[in-house]
Amino acid sequence: GAVVSQHPSWVICKSGTSVKIECRSLDFQATTMFWYRQFPKQSLMLMATSNEGSKATYEQGVEKDKFLINHASLTLSTLTVTSAHPEDSSFYICSARDYNGRSSSYEQYFGPGTRLTVT
Amino acid sequence: AQSVAQPEDQVNVAEGNPLTVKCTYSVSGNPYLFWYVQYPNRGLQFLLKYITGDNLVKGSYGFEAEFNKSQTSFHLKKPSALVSDSALYFCAVRDITGGNKLVFGAGTILRVKS
Repeated sequence: GAVVSQHPSWVICKSGTSVKIECRSLDFQATTMFWYRQFPKQSLMLMATSNEGSKATYEQGVEKDKFLINHASLTLSTLTVTSAHPEDSSFYICSARDYNGRSSSYEQYFGPGTRLTVT
Repeated sequence: AQSVAQPEDQVNVAEGNPLTVKCTYSVSGNPYLFWYVQYPNRGLQFLLKYITGDNLVKGSYGFEAEFNKSQTSFHLKKPSALVSDSALYFCAVRDITGGNKLVFGAGTILRVKS
């Protein structure tokens, strides 16, 4: 149980285009999902916290107009990188917390990540 | 602010030997502590957590961690390392001041050699 999927697992796009990444909780409902960015050999940087049915809360320094987050249902959150540039190339990871208290200790279940390369 | 520190960028150990990956924390209130493992180009997998109770926590794949309040540490341990344990390990703490998000350490690369 507690499986989180991401799609696509990797994507290559051209500068100036937009890319959408999906994060799904497959066997539980997630009121809260998180989006992280990870650079090579570095820790995870939290970008934003996404709550179902409300606006995402972005961390300081993260451009909300560039990284659009939508959490329309209890099992799906999307991250759209708009007008992508090469410096947006990174590994993006989502995680989810269980609505029904399975993670009452606040642990998060992570997706497998999406490798974005902008050329 | 809540934080965790992983003082070692990399830990090398021979297969069959015990391993320790260090983590210290700084929190206000009672700490909720976690260990995750990440294999190359993959997301994070949950290993274990400390919320309350016994200071020695047992988790997945034979890993355990010892919560030490006086030393504010939560070191990850395994009695006998396997080559397949080679990965990137993250310690994390719940940030009660920040919407209960997790704050991660910098990560420690574990290399187990046969």
